[in-house]
Amino acid sequence: DAGVIQSPRHEVTEMGQEVTLRCKPISGHDYLFWYRQTMMRGLELLIYFNNNVPIDDSGMPEDRFSAKMPNASFSTLKIQPSEPRDSAVYFCASSLLRATLAQFFGPGTRLTVL
Amino acid sequence: DAKTTQPNSMESNEEEPVHLPCNHSTISGTDYIHWYRQLPSQGPEYVIHGLTSNVNNRMASLAIAEDRKSSTLILHRATLRDAAVYYCILRDSGGGADGLTFGKGTHLIIQP
Repeated sequence: DAGVIQSPRHEVTEMGQEVTLRCKPISGHDYLFWYRQTMMRGLELLIYFNNNVPIDDSGMPEDRFSAKMPNASFSTLKIQPSEPRDSAVYFCASSLLRATLAQFFGPGTRLTVL
Repeated sequence: DAKTTQPNSMESNEEEPVHLPCNHSTISGTDYIHWYRQLPSQGPEYVIHGLTSNVNNRMASLAIAEDRKSSTLILHRATLRDAAVYYCILRDSGGGADGLTFGKGTHLIIQP
């Protein structure tokens, strides 16, 4: 199994530009999560999906952030327009149903907004 | 998720056992104790979880206090590759899966 796949691994953009981060979860997993990690705030949950439906987006910082999951094997996190304070590492994770089961994280996308 | 308390950092020597403590005095009866770790420049990685009984797997052991208000992650023979931030997280089993709430974790330093 290839694990959770994220692309790109690194993204450098200028303030005001649109940024799209991509994630392919592990095949067969019911849940997909987006997290953000910064030095100041640590790891934070942004949004998660169950069977492609967004369940909790209370962690999304503001309207500039949006996430979609058009099918079971693909999700995007979009920032439009991007700002320097959005610079962070963004992780995608997936898991099966049940809170007792492990979440499997991707390698992350390091985003730098200049 | 209920709150957990961990030391900011710990240091150990290579090939020695490491005991990483976690306090969770407000744990509820349906909370599972999960441990994740994050190696440098990688995403978090599941280590182990348990409810009441001690648990062992190929990576580590989890010792849970009888009153469940604390637990200890045990690395039996630490290697340099175990240097990471270790997170203790409580997860309610009452519902379906939900997001993980990460604290600051314990930064484990392994000396050669």
